[in-house]
Amino acid sequence: DQQVKQNSPSLSVQEGRISILNCDYTNSMFDYFLWYKKYPAEGPTFLISISSIKDKNEDGRFTVFLNKSAKHLSLHIVPSQPGDSAVYFCAASPSGGGADGLTFGKGTHLIIQP
Amino acid sequence: EAQVTQNPRYLITVTGKKLTVTCSQNMNHEYMSWYRQDPGLGLRQIYYSMNVEVTDKGDVPEGYKVSRKEKRNFPLILESPSPNQTSLYFCASSRYNSPLHFGNGTRLTVT
Repeated sequence: DQQVKQNSPSLSVQEGRISILNCDYTNSMFDYFLWYKKYPAEGPTFLISISSIKDKNEDGRFTVFLNKSAKHLSLHIVPSQPGDSAVYFCAASPSGGGADGLTFGKGTHLIIQP
Repeated sequence: EAQVTQNPRYLITVTGKKLTVTCSQNMNHEYMSWYRQDPGLGLRQIYYSMNVEVTDKGDVPEGYKVSRKEKRNFPLILESPSPNQTSLYFCASSRYNSPLHFGNGTRLTVT
């Protein structure tokens, strides 16, 4: 049973526009959510996170929104830049941001078109 | 520079030949973990360690062993590799309640 779902394997967005990546989860015990970004031939790198006590967290061009009732979170990138082309993994944890029990989605490949 | 270092980056081996992938971190992190990434399956946890001499199974531990004799090192051991262990492997580390830092991966092919 997949507890963290990223239903879009890939997403193509024009440079300068908004990219919206979606993630759904099923386990109500998850209370901390993270997004990781991965370039080819590199390991994933932490991008942004959000605690379940918040519904929004912003860091520069990146904003994560959390809808607990819908068990849904999204990552917004505005404006999208060519360097944003990468695979994005959504992850969820029941332990307040810790790596213990961290569950990843399958990833969404974001392609920024010039 | 703070980093997680895995070796080797690429490895081709044959079925049944024991191998070890090393992982070392220089951030004094308590937590270390191994993941495998497969097409269409995302990142799945193999084993993890909360501290020295403390290890536990993740979601897909079959066919793997680990050890944590020192805080900085967390090797992944495949005693008898099989073709279904062909994958991209990532080691990661973190402090408690902090995001994971990942290594750059080891691409393993078992023929």
